[in-house]
Amino acid sequence: DAGITQSPRYKITETGRQVTLMCHQTWSHSYMFWYRQDLGHGLRLIYYSAAADITDKGEVPDGYVVSRSKTENFPLTLESATRSQTSVYFCASSDYEGQFFGPGTRLTVL
Amino acid sequence: DAKTTQPTSMDCAEGRAANLPCNHSTISGNEYVYWYRQIHSQGPQYIIHGLKNNETNEMASLIITEDRKSSTLILPHATLRDTAVYYCIVRVADTGNQFYFGTGTSLTVIP
Repeated sequence: DAGITQSPRYKITETGRQVTLMCHQTWSHSYMFWYRQDLGHGLRLIYYSAAADITDKGEVPDGYVVSRSKTENFPLTLESATRSQTSVYFCASSDYEGQFFGPGTRLTVL
Repeated sequence: DAKTTQPTSMDCAEGRAANLPCNHSTISGNEYVYWYRQIHSQGPQYIIHGLKNNETNEMASLIITEDRKSSTLILPHATLRDTAVYYCIVRVADTGNQFYFGTGTSLTVIP
């Protein structure tokens, strides 16, 4: 299917565990982004990528790692999950019309 | 990117036009006005964007004042499915620029 997908859609994990959230887009957009959204707050940028093998930090990068070996994939890894990382995570890709978002992953860290 | 100011919440009767205002008095000449919406628990959805001319698409119309310091998003015939948080964002039209989402306007369409 064309578009941008995220997996898993829901994840429950425990403090200290490693978790990877997947993002895949079929448009071949160069730029991709990871945001988190906490209850009552807007979206905050975690990391973004300008192209394969090029990534950069956003507003709230601490505790997260990204990679981009292929244009279409942009996984986000929480190396040692903490309760403060409980959130909804949105992936996006962009062209000159704007940014297009995935459906989100709801992550709960116990 | 320029800061925007939007009302926290608005109501609109179903079938009527919903007019959502946005102030962006510090907008620069090369910054576009973008509108997104987020329906509960879903990812933000692109609605429309413009530079200085009014724009219309199948979802909405965007009216930008001549001085570009404010704009209005118009949903011509609001339905219950238009209940969402609407975000007004100004930014340079570059694919690499982050979108700064503020708190937006929570629109409730009333039956």
